[in-house]
Amino acid sequence: NAGVTQTPKFRVLKTGQSMTLLCAQDMNHEYMYWYRQDPGMGLRLIHYSVGEGTTAKGEVPDGYNVSRLKKQNFLLGLESAAPSQTSVYFCASTPGLAWGETQYFGPGTRLLVL
Amino acid sequence: AQTVTQSQPEMSVQEAETVTLSCTYDTSESDYYLFWYKQPPSRQMILVIRQEAYKQQNATENRFSVNFQKAAKSFSLKISDSQLGDAAMYFCAYRSVTGTASKLTFGTGTRLQVTL
Repeated sequence: NAGVTQTPKFRVLKTGQSMTLLCAQDMNHEYMYWYRQDPGMGLRLIHYSVGEGTTAKGEVPDGYNVSRLKKQNFLLGLESAAPSQTSVYFCASTPGLAWGETQYFGPGTRLLVL
Repeated sequence: AQTVTQSQPEMSVQEAETVTLSCTYDTSESDYYLFWYKQPPSRQMILVIRQEAYKQQNATENRFSVNFQKAAKSFSLKISDSQLGDAAMYFCAYRSVTGTASKLTFGTGTRLQVTL
């Protein structure tokens, strides 16, 4: 049981390049999330999904797109990377709305946009 | 929208001593969940403790306990008998019980140093 995994762990992009971050979970969780973490800002929600085939915008969605074609995978795309997107990206998942259910986090992806 | 405030960017504690990290939040809801997460240098987010707002009793997990003051909208974390392994960033988080997404709102974090 690997939990939540993220690919890649680290990436350097040039301004204008595109890339996709992959999040995979093997816990059969319904809900999945993408956050970004910047110094002094805590974690901020980019997009989330409440089930296969669904996505919704979070707090800071601009410049990102997501897809959830399979229940276990949640992809985060950057179509045209900007230096402001330099950050650490975390994926998380949770079974649903049950009391006390926390979110389970992946190890993070560090992205540097030059 | 809910907000979570952690007013202590950094804290320091000596090994074996007790430290309290502060967290306040703003909400108009009467029921909700509160969490403390630990983020060590590995960056992995680890759940430390959780509390549901309707429960009067403060949650406790081994050396970690909370002081939940609902009227004051305060949710502090007390770490007793601090250990070197407790050194990390600590994030307070709020989760609404309404809505369909189970989203978390995080504070900006407190960096805890543990000294010998």
